[in-house]
Amino acid sequence: QLVLTQSPSASASLGASVKLTCTLSSGHSSYAIAWHQQQPEKGPRYLMKLNSDGSHSKGDGIPDRFSGSSSGAERYLTISSLQSEDEADYYCQTWGTGKVFGGGTKLTVL
Amino acid sequence: QVQLQESGPRLVKPSGTLSLTCAVSGGSISSSNWWSWIRQPPGKGLEWIGEIYHSGSTNYNPSLKSRVTISVDKSKNQFSLNLSSVTAADTAVYYCARTGDPGYFDCWGQGTLVTVSS
Repeated sequence: QLVLTQSPSASASLGASVKLTCTLSSGHSSYAIAWHQQQPEKGPRYLMKLNSDGSHSKGDGIPDRFSGSSSGAERYLTISSLQSEDEADYYCQTWGTGKVFGGGTKLTVL
Repeated sequence: QVQLQESGPRLVKPSGTLSLTCAVSGGSISSSNWWSWIRQPPGKGLEWIGEIYHSGSTNYNPSLKSRVTISVDKSKNQFSLNLSSVTAADTAVYYCARTGDPGYFDCWGQGTLVTVSS
């Protein structure tokens, strides 16, 4: 079964960097994913598509501070030079016979 | 730039049918994309409901399949969601989204909160 696992929460200081993780279930380590950001009281926004080799393509207007990387079954979203507006929920998403979301990571900027 | 806008009743009675429409602007619904519905119960995560292609082909989440119908109206450049036999558990913000090739959501609507209550 295709499942995405995310830590429920993360925190980092203003101006620092943070790396969020999304783990694909066993047998699905070659799958690409997408990252989405959901700021408080807003709808989700597409950030990037991330392939198993770490190559990624970002959505329109997504700052260079956002980058993606991969290692095995893990997919990462790194946000550098954290700003207050980066405080949000971050969801990974993939596709197979249907579309699947991870449970989301709530990022707090300290 | 494609924009999506959900519309429909904000309050639905238990056992009734939830009906929403997503208007597509800035692009054609007949492009080579699938078009999806996704929902988010208050304080919870995202759940994919299903998708449609302009030809009328559909795919549904197995957990909702028996209650969901998604349709497309190419003349109005919009697609719709019907969810039958609703309960309080169907209370959620409902989003429409464009599915980019091969399967990620690259454009989202702003969402609409639908409450199931008598």
